[in-house]
Amino acid sequence: EAQVTQNPRYLITVTGKKLTVTCSQNMNHEYMSWYRQDPGLGLRQIYYSMNVEVTDKGDVPEGYKVSRKEKRNFPLILESPSPNQTSLYFCASSSDSGRVANEQFFGPGTRLTVL
Amino acid sequence: RKEVEQDPGPFNVPEGATVAFNCTYSNSASQSFFWYRQDCRKEPKLLMSVYSSGNEDGRFTAQLNRASQYISLLIRDSKLSDSATYLCVVKDNNAGNMLTFGGGTRLMVKP
Repeated sequence: EAQVTQNPRYLITVTGKKLTVTCSQNMNHEYMSWYRQDPGLGLRQIYYSMNVEVTDKGDVPEGYKVSRKEKRNFPLILESPSPNQTSLYFCASSSDSGRVANEQFFGPGTRLTVL
Repeated sequence: RKEVEQDPGPFNVPEGATVAFNCTYSNSASQSFFWYRQDCRKEPKLLMSVYSSGNEDGRFTAQLNRASQYISLLIRDSKLSDSATYLCVVKDNNAGNMLTFGGGTRLMVKP
């Protein structure tokens, strides 16, 4: 089944404790992206990747890191989480990054709470 | 000013009603347009792309007005299962595959 998976789905942590949210897709998509969704602010892009070893900042990259060592995986790293990073996070992927957008497939979401 | 603006709603309509959502975007370089649907606490899923000439998919009709930078979604004969949040999405093809999302419009269809 074609899908985007994220882990963990739910996480409660404390300020300053490094964490990683994994994202994996099995559709051989070139493009992958991370978003956060907050009430009243909608979905905002954190980082995106056009292909392996190619990453770039989105609208709200502060406090986050990403890497793209393999095509299928795009982990989101919070080196020192803070309460303002409490949010619902979505990973997404799509094919053909250069031309007219194809459908973006979203993972099921990770609900993160930073105390 | 937000790049993509939508009325957050909620729009409360009875089953069978016709309902329309609007969306405006500020980036005149936007070239691709979409409506995504998001159920409560779930991931967004593509509902339909929006083409310059307008397009229809069953009960759903999407329209684009580039001059006014305005997109619309019309739902006819609303079903209970249409209850969701509808996200207007635009893309500047010159900016890779980056999508800009509106805040969404919530629709609640009542029996």
